[in-house]
Amino acid sequence: QVQLQESGPGLVKPSETLSLTCSVSGGSMSGSHWSWIRQPPGRGLEWIGYVSYSGNVNYNPSLKSRVTMSVDTSKNQFSLKLGSVTAADTAVYYCARSATGLLFDYWGQGSLVAVSS
Amino acid sequence: DIQMTQSPSSLSASVGDRVTITCRASQGIRNDLGWYQQKPGKAPKRLIVAASTLLSGVPSRFSGSGSGTEFTLTISSLQPEDFATYFCLQYNNYPPTFGGGTKVEIK
Repeated sequence: QVQLQESGPGLVKPSETLSLTCSVSGGSMSGSHWSWIRQPPGRGLEWIGYVSYSGNVNYNPSLKSRVTMSVDTSKNQFSLKLGSVTAADTAVYYCARSATGLLFDYWGQGSLVAVSS
Repeated sequence: DIQMTQSPSSLSASVGDRVTITCRASQGIRNDLGWYQQKPGKAPKRLIVAASTLLSGVPSRFSGSGSGTEFTLTISSLQPEDFATYFCLQYNNYPPTFGGGTKVEIK
């Protein structure tokens, strides 16, 4: 059973960079896409982008200018950096796997990140 | 982006009730739609893929239907463990997009 766990600071100051890491256990990272998805309070889910095992990335155009994703296969981890954050970036951030296209099969429990001074 | 409009946003129901949730896509997505269940503090769980394929281990009281732009999740007889939030996902087109969610509460 694949398990994902997000980690990172719960509070980020405006204009700074939000950084999160997702640790993958119970399976190999190869052959899958590894995504970040977020949900602002009271709003719907938004796909941020994915990184593949080989390091290829695909970002949501709405966030592309501020997003960087990377993968560390030696640690079975992948990461998200979101720059120049504002209060609008306050959300629960989820990491998720898709083994087929963009159908997410395994998700983390989510990590709440607040943007505030 | 394809907009997924999910309704209702919340509903109150009793154990044993039949519950229906709808997702409408702003353009055709064939049957590239999944349904998920989410409980507070837990990871979302896949229930249905390809609009109507029930995943292994998911109770048969859950069913999905639809194709193109209109999709339905039905719970035939609501059980206590089914009180949760449900959302749809279209994976036909980039970027993947989600319905706004339906919170199923106890009446």
